[in-house]
Amino acid sequence: DVKVTQSSRYLVKRTGEKVFLECVQDMDHENMFWYRQDPGLGLRLIYFSYDVKMKEKGDIPEGYSVSREKKERFSLILESASTNQTSMYLCASRQAGTEAFFGQGTRLTVV
Amino acid sequence: DAKTTQPPSMDCAEGRAANLPCNHSTISGNEYVYWYRQIHSQGPQYIIHGLKNNETNEMASLIITEDRKSSTLILPHATLRDTAVYYCIVRVGYNQGGKLIFGQGTELSVKP
Repeated sequence: DVKVTQSSRYLVKRTGEKVFLECVQDMDHENMFWYRQDPGLGLRLIYFSYDVKMKEKGDIPEGYSVSREKKERFSLILESASTNQTSMYLCASRQAGTEAFFGQGTRLTVV
Repeated sequence: DAKTTQPPSMDCAEGRAANLPCNHSTISGNEYVYWYRQIHSQGPQYIIHGLKNNETNEMASLIITEDRKSSTLILPHATLRDTAVYYCIVRVGYNQGGKLIFGQGTELSVKP
């Protein structure tokens, strides 16, 4: 079975902290994605990556950056966490042209 | 980029077929329609996808109209465990597989 693993299920951080959300997939997928999900807004794409060291902005990249140094790992970085970044964060991976597999999500609370 | 439109919510009686519609009137000729669902507190789960022919798997059937401007996901015998938010997605982009853009989805409630 394909596995997409997010490093934390729940996370609480303080305003202004630098936050790293890690995602690892075990199927050698080329494409990886970070979404956030908020009530009433659905899933919104933050960033995605086609390959190692390649990234593209999604619909809401402001306040976020990403890193993909190895194919299996895609990190989402909140440079200076703010309360409006409190959300559920979902990572996904897929091979080109096939279905995406999602992690279980990280519920981040910024206080 | 092609967008999708789905009703925000639907109810279905347990054991009956659930038919979930999706409009994608700006879809391009080489874009696929994907369906995912998300059960509360879990990540989305792939259900089925298609290009222009109807598709069926162990979970569901996908009916795509001839003009490809709309599609319907059919759960033939809905159970309580099918209660979830269902997302219809058109795969956008042409290089390296493209990104997946999720709309609001349809919240399906299966009732006993």
